[in-house]
Amino acid sequence: QSALTQPASVSGSPGQSITISCTGSSGDIGAFNFVSWYQQRPGKAPKLLIFEVTERPSGVSSRFSASKAGNTASLTVSGLQAEDEADYYCSSYAGSKVLLFGGGTKLTVL
Amino acid sequence: EVQLVQSGAEVKKPGESLRISCTASGYSFTSFWITWLRQMPGKGPEWMGKIDPTDSYTTYSPSFQGHVTISADKSANSVYLQWTSLKTSDTAVYYCARWKGGSSFDPWGQGTLVTVSS
Repeated sequence: QSALTQPASVSGSPGQSITISCTGSSGDIGAFNFVSWYQQRPGKAPKLLIFEVTERPSGVSSRFSASKAGNTASLTVSGLQAEDEADYYCSSYAGSKVLLFGGGTKLTVL
Repeated sequence: EVQLVQSGAEVKKPGESLRISCTASGYSFTSFWITWLRQMPGKGPEWMGKIDPTDSYTTYSPSFQGHVTISADKSANSVYLQWTSLKTSDTAVYYCARWKGGSSFDPWGQGTLVTVSS
């Protein structure tokens, strides 16, 4: 199965909101409510931001929110801050032996 | 604090064998599956497989089945990723992560850089 499709880059100014899309298929994002989002800063391990499409783990800022419509999931970062500059990855369950990731989106805070 | 601590960076030659480790602390080791993921430079993570530390039952991604072996040692709270014959294309950062179901991995280890070069 192919990786999920994300835009290579997005940018926004401090205080603005941005949205990152993640497009899959009817066999992954469209079939299961198991979409997650991760933030990865340079040289660091990914950090879980969102699980089960919309849920935030304890300690993750409420400025991060997510949704899903059909085969596409979206992550919104509101009130952009300099510290949000990082790579963001989506992930979807697609079966007991298939877990897919997107290619990543680099968020630049202008 | 829940933590996964991985072994250090490795430099190997093609054809050599290697085992890297991931040691868990701060929670009941047998309560969660542990997964391994590969991240090549500039790319997204790739799920390799997972293991149930309770009984060492493993599930592999078809992309990695037969190329690596995942094992666990309950007495050491550790999970391992092993190669018998490395290739230059195995050069990557490898992460272990606690699997919380679906596509949710939390936390991740700090990563182990494996470099395979002649």
